[in-house]
Amino acid sequence: AQRVTQPEKLLSVFKGAPVELKCNYSYSGSPELFWYVQYSRQRLQLLLRHISRESIKGFTADLNKGETSFHLKKPFAQEEDSAMYYCALTTGGFKTIFGAGTRLFVKA
Amino acid sequence: EAGVAQSPRYKIIEKRQSVAFWCNPISGHATLYWYQQILGQGPKLLIQFQNNGVVDDSQLPKDRFSAERLKGVDSTLKIQPAKLEDSAVYLCASSFPTANYGYTFGSGTRLTVV
Repeated sequence: AQRVTQPEKLLSVFKGAPVELKCNYSYSGSPELFWYVQYSRQRLQLLLRHISRESIKGFTADLNKGETSFHLKKPFAQEEDSAMYYCALTTGGFKTIFGAGTRLFVKA
Repeated sequence: EAGVAQSPRYKIIEKRQSVAFWCNPISGHATLYWYQQILGQGPKLLIQFQNNGVVDDSQLPKDRFSAERLKGVDSTLKIQPAKLEDSAVYLCASSFPTANYGYTFGSGTRLTVV
């Protein structure tokens, strides 16, 4: 069965510290992976896609098929990064499954 | 471009009442999704439309939930009768042409069933 696991419900780091939000997936086919973010009082929005190999707001994520992971990383966290982060897996180009989310809190 | 529009933003109803939510996707987005997000959980897909046809409704509780997308544009999701456990945020999203490009979400409707 397809599944997305985000093991941490809450991650708290100090400003300027590195941050890594973990995501593991279970899927036998070729996965399409995404990170979505929801800032306070805003709608859920796409942060980045693994296929684009892009860096958005300093965040990057690398697909590791061997470890079935897609961890989100940023070398220096900022207070404005505080938000809810969701990892998502799309299968067959159609169905998307979301993880339970990790709340990132960046302390001053 | 205009975003995904949803209404109402909030709704409080008593159990066994009915409720309807409306969604207007981004113009030209063929695929429309309804997700249910219960507090503390990630969004769960209820139903997916491709134009005005249903692609996946395997997780839609069909005894009480129904959805339609007439003319392949806007969509309504209905719950009748509502139960306490239906309290959640109902999210509408759209994508073009498939989910590989990611979704654009609406602001959601927060439903409270008392």
